[in-house]
Amino acid sequence: EVQLVESGGGLVQPGGSLRLSCAASGFTFSNHWMHWVRQAPGKGLVWVSRINTDGSTTNYADSVKGRFTISRDNAKNTLYLQMNSLRAEDTALYYCARDYIWNGVDYWGQGTLVSVSS
Amino acid sequence: DVVMTQTPLSLSVTPGQPASISCKSSQSLLHSDGKTYLFWYLQKSGQSPQFLMYEVSSRFSGVPDRFSGSGSGTDFTLKISRVEAEDVGVYYCMQGLHLPPTFGQGTKVEIK
Repeated sequence: EVQLVESGGGLVQPGGSLRLSCAASGFTFSNHWMHWVRQAPGKGLVWVSRINTDGSTTNYADSVKGRFTISRDNAKNTLYLQMNSLRAEDTALYYCARDYIWNGVDYWGQGTLVSVSS
Repeated sequence: DVVMTQTPLSLSVTPGQPASISCKSSQSLLHSDGKTYLFWYLQKSGQSPQFLMYEVSSRFSGVPDRFSGSGSGTDFTLKISRVEAEDVGVYYCMQGLHLPPTFGQGTKVEIK
């Protein structure tokens, strides 16, 4: 069974940092591109970032470019999102998701909540 | 960015009746490989999104055949032939062809 379990969310002050993790199991992690998607409270889904199978290619939404860094450790079956210079508008539930085909994702984690507030 | 526009934004359906959601993209989603990278998701209350359809009309594993997708280019439709109580939630279309991938605003489906 495919499982994605996010962790690392929490309350942080504006300008602060957090590192999210996503532990994957039930599939060959190193074979799949992976994504982060976020959802602000009561709002819709917004794509954040993606990474290819070996970590050599990454892409970001303009809203997070230069502040967030996606990475992966295939030996640990874990996806990461390093979030720096956090802003109030980054407040959201952050999901990791497995790529199925052309950025369509098939499995999602349960999400980890990031709250940016003073 | 490609803008995905869904209509209607909310829908109230009698169980057993059909439902239809439209999704329009601001650019064509047809790839040179002949495939169209348009996806549909359902997010039930308090849950993570679940994958329904890929490449416009292919149902993901386990998705009931009362769900169907159609369309081409920039105009797409998700249809539920006979709505059941378990189908309530917010439906999102998403394009994966152009970076960044973008979602529609969501269509909330409820039961009358």
